[in-house]
Amino acid sequence: GEDVEQSLFLSVREGDSSVINCTYTDSSSTYLYWYKQEPGAGLQLLTYIFSNMDMKQDQRLTVLLNKKDKHLSLRIADTQTGDSAIYFCAERPYGSGNTGKLIFGQGTTLQVKP
Amino acid sequence: DVKVTQSSRYLVKRTGEKVFLECVQDMDHENMFWYRQDPGLGLRLIYFSYDVKMKEKGDIPEGYSVSREKKERFSLILESASTNQTSMYLCASRVSGQNTEAFFGQGTRLTVV
Repeated sequence: GEDVEQSLFLSVREGDSSVINCTYTDSSSTYLYWYKQEPGAGLQLLTYIFSNMDMKQDQRLTVLLNKKDKHLSLRIADTQTGDSAIYFCAERPYGSGNTGKLIFGQGTTLQVKP
Repeated sequence: DVKVTQSSRYLVKRTGEKVFLECVQDMDHENMFWYRQDPGLGLRLIYFSYDVKMKEKGDIPEGYSVSREKKERFSLILESASTNQTSMYLCASRVSGQNTEAFFGQGTRLTVV
């Protein structure tokens, strides 16, 4: 079945770049997403990439997709303390239709040290 | 402004109780979802609904049921709460379409004692 894997924890210093990695198993996934969860809050969509793209950039965020290796990464440039959160990778499997069922990874806790 | 509202932020219930978690969205979305979030396991889909009175099982439906009598409201029911259902529960909704954003509620942290 579909599976999405992430490492659980990443610690960086303020001003450095953060790279959060994700692997997935469903090669027919149509869209891949990054969500952010701040403490005590629900999930908020950060960005997404369509499966026929290799890269997407949005201000400080860069998403890289390697379809051959089924590997997705999120790079946050100039990481700030406000970026401290849990980051979830999610895939939308082919065949999920219009309901948009998502498969989530375990979440990576990003700790930003001043 | 888009809103998904879960009725409680924190709940404490006793083993064996019947528990209702309520979720309301004001965006006229067709699709609604219930996930549970556990450390190290991420979000796992319990049930989802793509229309009023329609529901489908997700990956971990055992011990849960749902109700969707009105489009804006999706309820998660624990028929007989058990300690292994202690978790964070997240509701989400999205409009139908190829790539539409899912909006999440703030979550309900349920403790079963």
